[in-house]
Amino acid sequence: ETGVTQSPTHLIKTRGQQVTLRCSSQSGHNTVSWYQQALGQGPQFIFQYYREEENGRGNFPPRFSGLQFPNYSSELNVNALELDDSALYLCASSGGQGLNEKLFFGSGTQLSVL
Amino acid sequence: QQQVKQSPQSLIVQKGGISIINCAYENTAFDYFPWYQQFPGKGPALLIAIRPDVSEKKEGRFTISFNKSAKQFSLHIMDSQPGDSATYFCAATPSGGYQKVTFGTGTKLQVIP
Repeated sequence: ETGVTQSPTHLIKTRGQQVTLRCSSQSGHNTVSWYQQALGQGPQFIFQYYREEENGRGNFPPRFSGLQFPNYSSELNVNALELDDSALYLCASSGGQGLNEKLFFGSGTQLSVL
Repeated sequence: QQQVKQSPQSLIVQKGGISIINCAYENTAFDYFPWYQQFPGKGPALLIAIRPDVSEKKEGRFTISFNKSAKQFSLHIMDSQPGDSATYFCAATPSGGYQKVTFGTGTKLQVIP
């Protein structure tokens, strides 16, 4: 059983650029969530995908978008990057949407926007 | 808007001592309260979790105490070890729909020998 893997591990972009982050969910998991963790803060929920559909979104602008593929892997896209987008982006997978479903987090992608 | 307040921000405990981290929430729709442990360079990992119909849950050296009327809950780490040194996050999830986890701001725990 493989865990949640994210790529790339680190990324440097310039303000105004676009970025795509990738996540492979744990085997057998059909739900993927994305979180943004600023330095010294707790993760903040961006959105969740269940069976290729976005079924929940946090307080993030539309320039944050995502996709989930038939194999349940996922992408997070951020357009028009701003300096405040610099953060650790975490992907988490679970076996369903249920309240008690255990979230398994990847190690994240560290994004720096200059 | 911070919906889950966590304290202290940092904590130093001697090996063998008890580490206590406190959290409070306002949203009565929260129905599931997990605690996560995060080591540097890693994502958070679920440590222990509790539902509000239970006042205490213990797993090994880790215990959650839950006070529904006060809307407060805490993590106790008994016999703290240097390997417990990490950042701990309390969190809360509302019932229904999708699993949106609201995290606290974190407590950096250092256990000294």
